Amino acid sequence: DAGVTQSPTHLIKTRGQQVTLRCSPKSGHDTVSWYQQALGQGPQFIFQYYEEEERQRGNFPDRFSGHQFPNYSSELNVNALLLGDSALYLCASSAGPRYEQYFGPGTRLTVT
Amino acid sequence: AQKVTQAQTEISVVEKEDVTLDCVYETRDTTYYLFWYKQPPSGELVFLIRRNSFDEQNEISGRYSWNFQKSTSSFNFTITASQVVDSAVYFCALSEARGYGNNRLAFGKGNQVVVIP
Repeated sequence: DAGVTQSPTHLIKTRGQQVTLRCSPKSGHDTVSWYQQALGQGPQFIFQYYEEEERQRGNFPDRFSGHQFPNYSSELNVNALLLGDSALYLCASSAGPRYEQYFGPGTRLTVT
Repeated sequence: AQKVTQAQTEISVVEKEDVTLDCVYETRDTTYYLFWYKQPPSGELVFLIRRNSFDEQNEISGRYSWNFQKSTSSFNFTITASQVVDSAVYFCALSEARGYGNNRLAFGKGNQVVVIP
């Protein structure tokens, strides 16, 4: 049973560029959440997708957008990258109302 | 608003010693969930334990135990007889139970645990 997978593992982008990160949830899970973890900090909630809609959103600007596909996989898009967007981006999936979120290995984004 | 505070930043212990991690939380909800996650150097967050706000019973699971006290809004976590493999960052997290589906997790800043052989 595959767990949560994310791609790519590492990414280097230049300030002002756009980036797309991808996440495949754990088998049987239909809810995907995205978190940003800056170095030395705890993860910060970006948004959550369920039934292909954004259900909740944290305190992140509109430059951060997402999508969920019919197979429950999800993408996180960040436009007009800033140096401060450099972080580990974690995807978590869960099965409906259950509260255990299972995390993927993350994508480390470096903006230069 | 939900908030989680982990006061200590780095904790060093000698192997086989016990280590306790403190967590204090804030929430306006009466129904919520508390978690501990482990993040090894690989970066993946590993779920350890979950308690709901109606269950203050403290339990032991292997070398892990936790002390949940609503009166002081604390959810402390203890690793007994620490091992080198326990070296990681440990996060306390809170989820307010609203609506259908999972809700956002609010994390503390984490505790870096270093177990010295």
